[in-house]
Amino acid sequence: AQSVTQLGSHVSVSEGALVLLRCNYSSSVPPYLFWYVQYPNQGLQLLLKYTSAATLVKGINGFEAEFKKSETSFHLTKPSAHMSDAAEYFCAVSADTGRRALTFGSGTRLQVQP
Amino acid sequence: DGGITQSPKYLFRKEGQNVTLSCEQNLNHDAMYWYRQDPGQGLRLIYYSQIVNDFQKGDIAEGYSVSREKKESFPLTVTSAQKNPTAFYLCASSIGQAGKETQYFGPGTRLLVL
Repeated sequence: AQSVTQLGSHVSVSEGALVLLRCNYSSSVPPYLFWYVQYPNQGLQLLLKYTSAATLVKGINGFEAEFKKSETSFHLTKPSAHMSDAAEYFCAVSADTGRRALTFGSGTRLQVQP
Repeated sequence: DGGITQSPKYLFRKEGQNVTLSCEQNLNHDAMYWYRQDPGQGLRLIYYSQIVNDFQKGDIAEGYSVSREKKESFPLTVTSAQKNPTAFYLCASSIGQAGKETQYFGPGTRLLVL
């Protein structure tokens, strides 16, 4: 079985400040990990993914995430927040267990203050 | 442009009525998925299909039905047996080996009960 825990349902940062969104996973086999972003009333857009190559993954819009096996974590960061980053962010895990589906965390809503 | 389309954007259901949500993709992806999104709960898998004429139940299939007669199309029917259908419904598709593929999402359909 696999699961994802996102710590903090709401995170608020000031414009220009560091963004850190936390994700911890559980998987019985080597996982693939994803971060998606969702703007209000829209679908999910892929930010970045970890597929067992480099542990530091760079994505779109200046975001990056680091896979830490020892900590079972895949936290999302961005050095400087922009107002347009305000959205909901989902971490998801996929594992080669034969079932084709992602397991999602409950999401973190990022608020950016001017 | 390749992508996933969902229609309608908003759908209203009366008591005892079945309604069907459309999902079409022109990405030539093999697998397609339906997720339900409720506030604060992330996304939950309803059904998925790996190939034409085959589909599998997800975690919350009760009260829903699907068909996969064409590779491009994966409609979801919300039946009268689904007692709490109000939610945001997301369709996705992917290609590649199970557990290692990336899922791409449509814009979603919001279902409301009158």
